[in-house]
Amino acid sequence: EIVLTQSPGTLSLSPGERATLSCRASQSVSNRYLAWYQQKPGQAPRLLIFGASARATGIPDRFSGSGSGTDFTLTISRLEPEDFAVYYCQQYGSSLWTFGQGTKVEIK
Amino acid sequence: QVQLVESGGGVVQPGRSLRLSCAASGFTFSSYDIHWVRQAPGKGLEWVVFISYDGSNKYYADSVKGRFTISRDNSKNTLYLQMDSLRPEDTAVYYCARGGFPWGQGTLVTVSS
Repeated sequence: EIVLTQSPGTLSLSPGERATLSCRASQSVSNRYLAWYQQKPGQAPRLLIFGASARATGIPDRFSGSGSGTDFTLTISRLEPEDFAVYYCQQYGSSLWTFGQGTKVEIK
Repeated sequence: QVQLVESGGGVVQPGRSLRLSCAASGFTFSSYDIHWVRQAPGKGLEWVVFISYDGSNKYYADSVKGRFTISRDNSKNTLYLQMDSLRPEDTAVYYCARGGFPWGQGTLVTVSS
């Protein structure tokens, strides 16, 4: 089983600032099958990034993903008020999916 | 567009059973592996079970092994999750999902006496 570790646990930032979220895997994620999700209270997770760096349909270009192997990053270039939420990474390269524990981006 | 819609959730007593369904549209269902994922209230995301495109391979999380059974009917573009011997800790929103694609809204299962 691939263990995903997200850091930091909480990120306190102001609107307009840059957010950098990390996701580290215990072993290499095959074919860069790494996704990022955003979740707000009471809502289903929303797919932001798939294939480590491809934006899902309708996702603003301030969201970008990068990385390969065991180290992946989600960057939000300039935080908008609606971006404050919990973010999860997920690997889907194996039949046993795993998720990170989440990073909460909160308003400073 | 790719769409997966879950149904069948509800309130059930501990030890009882429930069957969830997942209706697929917008893609060739019979060609793709599908998973169930759940999220307990206030908790993170937990992978539950995998079924291969043709139903020949199935993998379960240890937390549900021996109690949950996944199946699919490719002629109906539908996935099922039979949940037996339900426990309070199975209370969660359940999502069916395909790798790298958006998820649906899920269906809430509450196990309580």
